[in-house]
Amino acid sequence: KAGVTQTPRYLIKTRGQQVTLSCSPISGHRSVSWYQQTPGQGLQFLFEYFSETQRNKGNFPGRFSGRQFSNSRSEMNVSTLELGDSALYLCASSTGDLDTQYFGPGTRLTVL
Amino acid sequence: GESVGLHLPTLSVQEGDNSIINCAYSNSASDYFIWYKQESGKGPQFIIDIRSNMDKRQGQRVTVLLNKTVKHLSLQIAATQPGDSAVYFCAENSGKLIFGQGTTLQVKP
Repeated sequence: KAGVTQTPRYLIKTRGQQVTLSCSPISGHRSVSWYQQTPGQGLQFLFEYFSETQRNKGNFPGRFSGRQFSNSRSEMNVSTLELGDSALYLCASSTGDLDTQYFGPGTRLTVL
Repeated sequence: GESVGLHLPTLSVQEGDNSIINCAYSNSASDYFIWYKQESGKGPQFIIDIRSNMDKRQGQRVTVLLNKTVKHLSLQIAATQPGDSAVYFCAENSGKLIFGQGTTLQVKP
C-alpha cells in the first residue's frame, strides 16, 4: 500500500502571500490530520478532517484552513503568510476510528 | 491543560546497548499512546502503540511500558543500532495527537 503523500515538498513564499498544500492519504483512510512542526513549538495539531467535515481543530488563527474531498484527499491553506508560519507541515491519515495516524514526509514552507 | 513531556532532550548510547526513552503525561484520562521516530528530513514514523488496558507491549526490538499510576511511559530499544539514531516522540492519541518535545537518540559506534 502506498503511504501518505504530500505536495509540494518544498515551498518558498513571501509575507502576505497565501499557500495551498496537498495531502493524499493511505488508500482506505478517511481521516486526514494536519500538524505544524517548528523548532520552538514542536509538533502542534492544526485540524482533522473526516468524511469531508472538519471534526477537530487546534488553536491556530483563522488564516489556517483546510478542506477534504470526496476521495479523502485534503488541502490546507494559509492566507496572509507571516514569517512565523515558516515550518514543516505534516499530514497524517488514519481510518478515523481512533486508530494509528501515519505521517507523510511533510511540506517545508519558508516565508521570506 | 493536557500535556505530554519527555524527560531528556538528548540520549547518547553505545551501539549494541539498550536505550530507554521516557515520557510523562498529565491527563489521567489518556488511554492511547503512540511512539514515533523521526529522521532528519522525514515525517514521523510509527514505531509502536499502547492502550491503557495494557502495561506492556512488545515489537521487534522495541518495548513500550505504561505506568498509569504515575502517568509515565517508556520506550525501550534493544541492541541499539546506528540506524536508530533519530528524534523520538511520544504522543497521546485522543483523535488529535498531542506530542512531547522529543528526545534525540545518538548512537555511538
